[in-house]
Amino acid sequence: GAGVSQSPSNKVTEKGKDVELRCDPISGHTALYWYRQRLGQGLEFLIYFQGNSAPDKSGLPSDRFSAERTGESVSTLTIQRTQQEDSAVYLCASSISGGVSEQFFGPGTRLTVL
Amino acid sequence: GDSVTQMEGPVTLSEEAFLTINCTYTATGYPSLFWYVQYPGEGLQLLLKATKADDKGSNKGFEATYRKETTSFHLEKGSVQVSDSAVYFCALSGPVISGGGADGLTFGKGTHLIIQP
Repeated sequence: GAGVSQSPSNKVTEKGKDVELRCDPISGHTALYWYRQRLGQGLEFLIYFQGNSAPDKSGLPSDRFSAERTGESVSTLTIQRTQQEDSAVYLCASSISGGVSEQFFGPGTRLTVL
Repeated sequence: GDSVTQMEGPVTLSEEAFLTINCTYTATGYPSLFWYVQYPGEGLQLLLKATKADDKGSNKGFEATYRKETTSFHLEKGSVQVSDSAVYFCALSGPVISGGGADGLTFGKGTHLIIQP
């Protein structure tokens, strides 16, 4: 596609349920990033993939969060046993090679945990 | 750890006014600095960047100069338009996880700019 796409655009779930958020990066981009933006806050970096590997997962907020990437393409961010504090907009970005190359952002998934 | 501080908004200006949005940073080493913009209903997009001290990034009439001595990267535009109304984010690159070598950006909280005709 022409840009980074994310699905769903909105997700409302009940506390305790699991959710999966999907990111389709720009074709050929080797680097993929996940960020979280809570209301009134800046973007919080969560995890970075170079190819299918995530060199460091310690930015994930808790062990309820996990992410994977396959085929150096699609990535899924999974949140298990969601809590109300997980409510946020989750943004995905990709770049051609990582480092200081421009990150292109998707429109985000707005997650609301009731 | 690394951090970015930018002026709180909303900032409301009249069309053709001069704009400054302040941004200061704290970082180890020599980060690259960025301004991203989010127009209403759209995703974040890169506005400009500077990768070393004294570099000036510019795009769409906006400018920002990487000032190492004051650890600042203030965004300026000489004459704003209604179409510049958006949220502006200052960001820096560099490892955000100690020892991790990750390439995520550290963002400020964003400044909501409103331009009135």
